Amino acid sequence: GAVVSQHPSRVICKSGTSVKIECRSLDFQATTMFWYRQFPKKSLMLMATSNEGSKATYEQGVEKDKFLINHASLTLSTLTVTSAHPEDSSFYICSARDLGSSYNEQFFGPGTRLTVL
Amino acid sequence: GQNIDQPTEMTATEGAIVQINCTYQTSGFNGLFWYQQHAGEAPTFLSYNVLDGLEEKGRFSSFLSRSKGYSYLLLKELQMKDSASYLCAVMDSNYQLIWGAGTKLIIKP
Repeated sequence: GAVVSQHPSRVICKSGTSVKIECRSLDFQATTMFWYRQFPKKSLMLMATSNEGSKATYEQGVEKDKFLINHASLTLSTLTVTSAHPEDSSFYICSARDLGSSYNEQFFGPGTRLTVL
Repeated sequence: GQNIDQPTEMTATEGAIVQINCTYQTSGFNGLFWYQQHAGEAPTFLSYNVLDGLEEKGRFSSFLSRSKGYSYLLLKELQMKDSASYLCAVMDSNYQLIWGAGTKLIIKP
């Protein structure tokens, strides 16, 4: 099955620093990747849709200058949380759509737990 | 607006059957997904329905009625490892997934 990796799985950083999270599709090409964040006991919240070779599409209320997304290749998208603050602490999950799958479903990475001190 | 409704929490007994309902109102419809999410982990794909009817996959089955905007996930022969959140998601006309808040399923021995 389609596998999506995400790195790092866990990161703790000081307020004001920037954190980069990588999302890779390991055995398929993903022209579209999605970035979500999830607060405890809450549902997934789509932050942005990342398209290979073009600018990401951000959801309403998500600051594009704070959450920088780069989808440089068909297998890699990165999310950089710039000048992180404690309120940015969350579970960040990426997913990738496998156009070759029967169902057009999204496959999720294992997630990155970010804690900003 | 777009809306997905599912119960917040359900409790069931090991070995029993449980049905988790999901109702939706979306702009367009390109299929309904069920995902399982264990605490602290990412969601994993369970099922997909785009036509009316029942899809069976082992102990799990999913049903869809497009005219009613309704789906359910049926879990049989419940095991303790089935304790998780179950997320209902609808793909809208733009092929974006609209997510429900999830149903936390608690399995008791």
